[in-house]
Amino acid sequence: DGGITQSPKYLFRKEGQNVTLSCEQNLNHDAMYWYRQDPGQGLRLIYYSQIVNDFQKGDIAEGYSVSREKKESFPLTVTSAQKNPTAFYLCASSSPGDWYNEQFFGPGTRLTVL
Amino acid sequence: LAKTTQPISMDSYEGQEVNITCSHNNIATNDYITWYQQFPSQGPRFIIQGYKTKVTNEVASLFIPADRKSSTLSLPRVSLSDTAVYYCLVGDLPMDSSYKLIFGSGTRLLVRP
Repeated sequence: DGGITQSPKYLFRKEGQNVTLSCEQNLNHDAMYWYRQDPGQGLRLIYYSQIVNDFQKGDIAEGYSVSREKKESFPLTVTSAQKNPTAFYLCASSSPGDWYNEQFFGPGTRLTVL
Repeated sequence: LAKTTQPISMDSYEGQEVNITCSHNNIATNDYITWYQQFPSQGPRFIIQGYKTKVTNEVASLFIPADRKSSTLSLPRVSLSDTAVYYCLVGDLPMDSSYKLIFGSGTRLLVRP
């Protein structure tokens, strides 16, 4: 089955530690995205990548970093510079050029910084 | 990207038709209107997209007036499982490297028995 996987589902880290969230897709999509969602809020774009080895900052990129070495993978690192990292993180992918603005989302990772 | 305005929340009962209206006064000529549904602790799911007039699929209908400054998502005969947050988004199709979706706060729909 094609889809997007994120791991782990829940993640706990101590303050000051970097942590990397995994996102893998087998949909053969060129574009991938990372969003952050806080309780009761909408999604905010952190980073996005339209193609391998290229990515752009979204609206709230500070304190985060990404890499796109493979088409299938788009890991997100939450660094110690992110002041309030506790949130629900969602990864998505899409195929630019498709007729619909449809992004396919993963199940999310809930990060809690203690 | 055009900004959207939706009601924060709506209540309904099982079996009723629910209409959620979204305002997008600054919609551009090339913009499409897209709706997503999100259940708690899950990623959003695409529902429907349209440009003008009416679009219908197996899940919902989307009504867009001629001036395109608003749109209405219609959910026929809702059930308890339709309780979710619904997001209205406006933007161009993903044709170039600057493409991204802007999610607002959405409309929290509660369906009661």
